[in-house]
Amino acid sequence: ETGVTQTPRHLVMGMTNKKSLKCEQHLGHNAMYWYKQSAKKPLELMFVYNFKEQTENNSVPSRFSPECPNSSHLFLHLHTLQPEDSALYLCASSQGDLGQPQHFGDGTRLSIL
Amino acid sequence: SQQGEEDPQALSIQEGENATMNCSYKTSINNLQWYRQNSGRGLVHLILIRSNEREKHSGRLRVTLDTSKKSSSLLITASRAADTASYFCGEMGGSEKLVFGKGTKLTVNP
Repeated sequence: ETGVTQTPRHLVMGMTNKKSLKCEQHLGHNAMYWYKQSAKKPLELMFVYNFKEQTENNSVPSRFSPECPNSSHLFLHLHTLQPEDSALYLCASSQGDLGQPQHFGDGTRLSIL
Repeated sequence: SQQGEEDPQALSIQEGENATMNCSYKTSINNLQWYRQNSGRGLVHLILIRSNEREKHSGRLRVTLDTSKKSSSLLITASRAADTASYFCGEMGGSEKLVFGKGTKLTVNP
């Protein structure tokens, strides 16, 4: 039990589908993050939310749309994705200042057909 | 660009041996963090070392930091098969973004 829960664990979708990834943290943290992990590439930060406000969008294509309704929940809405978007998508949270250690969920393995 | 680089990319050792992984980074840091990732799982935080610290211990883990060389090392002593995982360093600079390298894949053979 990591305290950060991601659903679904696996997702297969076509390029024209619309789906959402969900992340929930039970740690009372104020900051939440989306990362993309592709094979043989470093972990890429996508979005940062601090107290529900987006503070970082790391040049992510608009086909990825984040939503943070409260400090405990984070969504990543997906539409018209490309095959190169297949990856493990990891959610993380941290307490207070953004310099604190991050707690990660186990990710959603996304495959685009 | 701000990005840690772990070295080696892969390391295979026998149970009971020590494992040393290195990380180099490019910019000034506030802190450097080491994480472990088991196959199919998320990252787990191991140790955070601040820029004004030189060494830190946690159980069988020892992390050193040399800011003059912009490098850090993670030592796992008396390794176990359960230590098999990928290990990542993440540099936290002035932007307060945690930037990771590609990781070191450690295999500990029974």
